[in-house]
Amino acid sequence: TQLLEQSPQFLSIQEGENLTVYCNSSSVFSSLQWYRQEPGEGPVLLVTVVTGGEVKKLKRLTFQFGDARKDSSLHITAAQPGDTGLYLCAEYPGLGGNQFYFGTGTSLTVIP
Amino acid sequence: KAGVTQTPRYLIKTRGQQVTLSCSPISGHRSVSWYQQTPGQGLQFLFEYFSETQRNKGNFPGRFSGRQFSNSRSEMNVSTLELGDSALYLCASSLADMSSGNTIYFGEGSWLTVV
Repeated sequence: TQLLEQSPQFLSIQEGENLTVYCNSSSVFSSLQWYRQEPGEGPVLLVTVVTGGEVKKLKRLTFQFGDARKDSSLHITAAQPGDTGLYLCAEYPGLGGNQFYFGTGTSLTVIP
Repeated sequence: KAGVTQTPRYLIKTRGQQVTLSCSPISGHRSVSWYQQTPGQGLQFLFEYFSETQRNKGNFPGRFSGRQFSNSRSEMNVSTLELGDSALYLCASSLADMSSGNTIYFGEGSWLTVV
């Protein structure tokens, strides 16, 4: 079982601030996904990164995949209350099928 | 199009009982996978079904089982419930598998409380 560590575990910030959350593994990722889960709902896919060093942007969210493909980060610029939720990274090990290994998550609260 | 539908949304069971949860995938999706989410362990993979066959299985005891029907709908069953089985059970569906570049879509989950 892959061990995906996410940090920080909890984050509470004021609206307008910037933040970065991290996802690290002891092994090389085949591919990595980031999800956001809002209370009472299932996770929703934000992005998939595959290539080492890859950077993807989704409005105010910037996702980076480490060169060695063992870490990833999610940076949010000018956070808004609507960004509140649980952010999860997940690795697809490429074994065939849809088995994913999820990180423990970062719970983000953006205070208006 | 309709999303992944899970029923029931909430249920309370007594220790020792069994429970069956249902998942209807997005129309046309043939892969259905199940995850357990708890505050302490996070999201953990239970099993995945594709075309009525179990394709992958996580590290859960045999009390956890599932099946998939010809219309791709899936059920999971937990027998002899324990307090530690209290969790959010999430179902996800996909056209095929990630190697084909497909996205998985999660349902809202079934909240199970064992007392």
